[in-house]
Amino acid sequence: DTGVSQDPRHKITKRGQNVTFRCDPISEHNRLYWYRQTLGQGPEFLTYFQNEAQLEKSRLLSDRFSAERPKGSFSTLEIQRTEQGDSAMYLCASSLGGLAGATDTQYFGPGTRLTVL
Amino acid sequence: AQSVAQPEDQVNVAEGNPLTVKCTYSVSGNPYLFWYVQYPNRGLQFLLKYITGDNLVKGSYGFEAEFNKSQTSFHLKKPSALVSDSALYFCAVRDILGGYQKVTFGTGTKLQVIP
Repeated sequence: DTGVSQDPRHKITKRGQNVTFRCDPISEHNRLYWYRQTLGQGPEFLTYFQNEAQLEKSRLLSDRFSAERPKGSFSTLEIQRTEQGDSAMYLCASSLGGLAGATDTQYFGPGTRLTVL
Repeated sequence: AQSVAQPEDQVNVAEGNPLTVKCTYSVSGNPYLFWYVQYPNRGLQFLLKYITGDNLVKGSYGFEAEFNKSQTSFHLKKPSALVSDSALYFCAVRDILGGYQKVTFGTGTKLQVIP
């Protein structure tokens, strides 16, 4: 399977614990995105990487959230001191972006469903 | 700023009938528009996109969408619905000239195809 993969698929944690999710993009895709989706809503943009550089961050990404893409391949999203409001589906997407414009298509992984008790 | 509106939470259609899922958008510059489909407990699957050119865009699984600049709409259509088309459909927009990679999604429309 050469699509976007995410691990784990499900995570249950207690409030206050830290969690880390991993995303492996489609090979050769230089752009990687994280989104959060809550029940009844569309995905909300969190952050975006071009290669290893984090170029955009949403205001939704509080200080408790951090994302990395150290070698320009896989990415991790960490949530520290989780709160019940963090319960959501966390989606990763990747795309092959050119030098200018924004015409690339994002392909999504299956998501990680986080439940904070 | 960019936004998307999907005015219908749910659309019901009989199998074999044509279907339309509505979407309107707002961007400062020129829009780059998408449709994605989501099945239960799955990620989003890309259906089609509009950048420029022909206003009628054809995509996967027999879906097509019509871009209407004057009405700022990008409605998803299919001539003959299948039960397997039942899923959650999301319209999304990106402002091509905005210089940002952020894609804004609508709240989704649940399509129910009735046998």
